[in-house]
Amino acid sequence: DQQVKQNSPSLSVQEGRISILNCDYTNSMFDYFLWYKKYPAEGPTFLISISSIKDKNEDGRFTVFLNKSAKHLSLHIVPSQPGDSAVYFCAAKSTGGFKTIFGAGTRLFVKA
Amino acid sequence: SQTIHQWPATLVQPVGSPLSLECTVEGTSNPNLYWYRQAAGRGLQLLFYSVGIGQISSEVPQNLSASRPQDRQFILSSKKLLLSDSGFYLCAWSKQDNEKLFFGSGTQLSVL
Repeated sequence: DQQVKQNSPSLSVQEGRISILNCDYTNSMFDYFLWYKKYPAEGPTFLISISSIKDKNEDGRFTVFLNKSAKHLSLHIVPSQPGDSAVYFCAAKSTGGFKTIFGAGTRLFVKA
Repeated sequence: SQTIHQWPATLVQPVGSPLSLECTVEGTSNPNLYWYRQAAGRGLQLLFYSVGIGQISSEVPQNLSASRPQDRQFILSSKKLLLSDSGFYLCAWSKQDNEKLFFGSGTQLSVL
């Protein structure tokens, strides 16, 4: 049972344009959401997070949007750069809980 | 600053052989520690987590075990490897607030 779903295995975007990565979750107990970025043969690194009390969080070129009623979140990268090419994992957890549940990841290709 | 060390980076083992992967964290005390696995084409699956020395929680019934002999040391073991144990193994730590995970560089395990 996949509690966190990233339905797009890959996404290709032109440099300078917007990248939008989507994520859906099923567990209503999740109240904290994170995005991680992973390069090949490396561990994931934290990118940005959002609490369920907010619907938007912005950090430089990265913005995460949360739609609690739809159990949907998205990561926007503007403008996209070739160095953004990586696998992006959506993750969710309950505040105070120990388990962070990850989606399957979306591979982003940013073309120069 | 905190760092996490995980070794080896790659490992090729025959079916039926034992396994020991080690992970250590520096620069923090009493971290929460985690073992994740990424199978080919799949997301990150939580295998074990530990909130203290000797305290191990298992998430998935499997051929693997974990131990935490010291505060900042986490070991993943198997007595007899199976082909299905192949994958990319990641150690991670978090602060007690459990907000975000910090991952090691991972071990690519191939069981042949």
